[in-house]
Amino acid sequence: QKEVEQNSGPLSVPEGAIASLNCTYSDRGSQSFFWYRQYSGKSPELIMSIYSNGDKEDGRFTAQLNKASQYVSLLIRDSQPSDSATYLCAGYSGAGSYQLTFGKGTKLSVIP
Amino acid sequence: DTAVSQTPKYLVTQMGNDKSIKCEQNLGHDTMYWYKQDSKKFLKIMFSYNNKELIINETVPNRFSPKSPDKAHLNLHINSLELGDSAVYFCASSQEGWAYNEQFFGPGTRLTVL
Repeated sequence: QKEVEQNSGPLSVPEGAIASLNCTYSDRGSQSFFWYRQYSGKSPELIMSIYSNGDKEDGRFTAQLNKASQYVSLLIRDSQPSDSATYLCAGYSGAGSYQLTFGKGTKLSVIP
Repeated sequence: DTAVSQTPKYLVTQMGNDKSIKCEQNLGHDTMYWYKQDSKKFLKIMFSYNNKELIINETVPNRFSPKSPDKAHLNLHINSLELGDSAVYFCASSQEGWAYNEQFFGPGTRLTVL
């Protein structure tokens, strides 16, 4: 059973701080990972994808992937109240896989 | 322009009824998906179609039947609705349904079975 695990939170950080969201996965064959943001009552919105070991930065967001440790993380710098949402980690297993497995999400609250 | 659209947005119905949810994407993608998100917010794949061909069929009751008339449309028909079917159903699409391709989600259909 391929699994993606996330701490459900809630994770509370003060405005302007760095929010760190973590995700582990069970399938060593997993090739690629995605972070989605979901506001309450809305659909998941893709914010980052990462395929290679290391860091990938996009604005205030940095995704980190460590395939040896089977670990993915998302850092949000200068957190804003508008970042308050549930963050979903997801991964594909294998190059021929059509199935994206999601974690249960981490709820982030940024306190003004 | 809406990339992935779903209708209806809300669906309230009685147990035992049959209902359909429609999904359309104008992104030119080859692969479309149906997901179910339960009350605990867990998002789980139900079906996937690639160029009108079923490629993922997770363990869902056979009361659920997807239909893809063309690669831009994927509909979900549900027979004999049960209380446990209440959830939000999301349609998604991707360029090609394999690793590295990003999936884009529709706005969701909130189904409530009374």
